Amino acid sequence: DIQMTQSPSTLSASVGDRVTITCRASQSINIWLAWYQQKPGKAPKLLIYRASTLESGVPSRFSGSGSGTEFTLTIGSLQPDDFATYYCQQYNINSAFGQGTKVEVK
Amino acid sequence: QVQLVQSGAEVKNPGASVKVSCKASGYTFTGYYMHWVRQAPGQGLEWMGWIIPNNGGTNYAQKFQGRVTMTRDTSSGTAYMELSRLKSDDTAVYYCAREAIRGSGSFYNYWGQGTLVTVSS
Repeated sequence: DIQMTQSPSTLSASVGDRVTITCRASQSINIWLAWYQQKPGKAPKLLIYRASTLESGVPSRFSGSGSGTEFTLTIGSLQPDDFATYYCQQYNINSAFGQGTKVEVK
Repeated sequence: QVQLVQSGAEVKNPGASVKVSCKASGYTFTGYYMHWVRQAPGQGLEWMGWIIPNNGGTNYAQKFQGRVTMTRDTSSGTAYMELSRLKSDDTAVYYCAREAIRGSGSFYNYWGQGTLVTVSS
C-alpha cells in the first residue's frame, strides 16, 4: 500500500501569512494527488486535484505543486475562513490519505 | 444538484454488524464510482473501498477485506456499506463520497453528511 505523510501535523499562523503544507508519498504517484479542507463536524471539501488543478469555486490563494513523491499545498495569504485541517489524498493506486495538518490561530 | 444523504447514527455492540446507506440524487447513479471513507474521533481520513454502481463491482482496502461488503440498489439510487464483527476501534464517522471523474475511481467532489457509528457494550 502507498503511505502518505504530511508535515507539519499542526501549523500556527496568522491572517495574511503564507502557509505551506508538505505531503510525501512512499512511492511515486505521478501527479495523482488531491488536497481537501475539513472543518469540525463537516465533510471534507475538495480544493485541488491532479496535484495543481484548482477545483471550481476554490479561491486562487490556494495552490498546489509537485509530482512523483513530494507535493505542497500553499495558501498565499491566510484568511480567517482557512483555519481548518488539510488532507492530501493519493489516487494513483486505490486511495490513501495523509494524516492531516491542522492550521490553527497563532 | 448532486446530493448524497446518509442514514442516521447507529450504536452497536462489539461483534455486531452495521449497514449504512447513502442515497444519491441529482446525477446518474450508475455513472460514477461510490467510495466509503471513515474518520475515527479526532483522527484522519481512512479509505475503505469503492463500488461501481453500474455492475456492482467492488474494491476493498486490504485492512477491511473479509469484514466489509459494499452493495447498491440501482432502482433507488442507494449505496450501502456493511461492516461486520465490529470492534471498539470501528467507532467513527462513515462517509460516502462520489468520484469526481466518471469511471476513474479517483478523487471526490461530493460527500455525504457522514454517519456516526458507535461501538460500545
